[in-house]
Amino acid sequence: QKEVEQDPGPLSVPEGAIVSLNCTYSNSAFQYFMWYRQYSRKGPELLMYTYSSGNKEDGRFTAQVDKSSKYISLFIRDSQPSDSATYLCAMSAREGGATNKLIFGTGTLLAVQP
Amino acid sequence: EAQVTQNPRYLITVTGKKLTVTCSQNMNHEYMSWYRQDPGLGLRQIYYSMNVEVTDKGDVPEGYKVSRKEKRNFPLILESPSPNQTSLYFCASSLSSWGTYGYTFGSGTRLTVV
Repeated sequence: QKEVEQDPGPLSVPEGAIVSLNCTYSNSAFQYFMWYRQYSRKGPELLMYTYSSGNKEDGRFTAQVDKSSKYISLFIRDSQPSDSATYLCAMSAREGGATNKLIFGTGTLLAVQP
Repeated sequence: EAQVTQNPRYLITVTGKKLTVTCSQNMNHEYMSWYRQDPGLGLRQIYYSMNVEVTDKGDVPEGYKVSRKEKRNFPLILESPSPNQTSLYFCASSLSSWGTYGYTFGSGTRLTVV
């Protein structure tokens, strides 16, 4: 079983829809949770960063962490064609040592249709 | 502008011809890492470096070398490239291995080995 599981999609939605992207994980030590957005032929860029549990909102984007269920989500409200990209979740623990690195999901490809 | 710069962006080479992909960051980050990204497999770590002269293997190090002689530079060396190293490569840097404030990625190098 992978440490981080992410549905690869693709996910196709009409413009204006609410999008829900999800990841599950197995390591209960994870404390740092992130979402990256990757446009075609570009490097991943950090979209949302959350420490421990709870919600974080930034404009049309909301990140949720449920540590009890080992489940994180990214919600996109009023989705736009410009949101079309691959979304990668990433997470890590801080226990000291070089092995504590970000673990990435495989990414979900999202297409927002105009 | 804070950034990770990779060169070249595209490279086609022949089997066995040594090549180097350069990576440079201007954020004074201690942690740097190389990834390859393949369809269905996501981002896989090749090598990482915790600081100058400190490097270690990631998950898929076979066929690659790295060096970290200066804090800002972390080149990836393929001594004898093979077709199975055809991939999209990313360099990333961060304040810490666990991703304090996230990883910053370069724009990627698309390598084709024929």
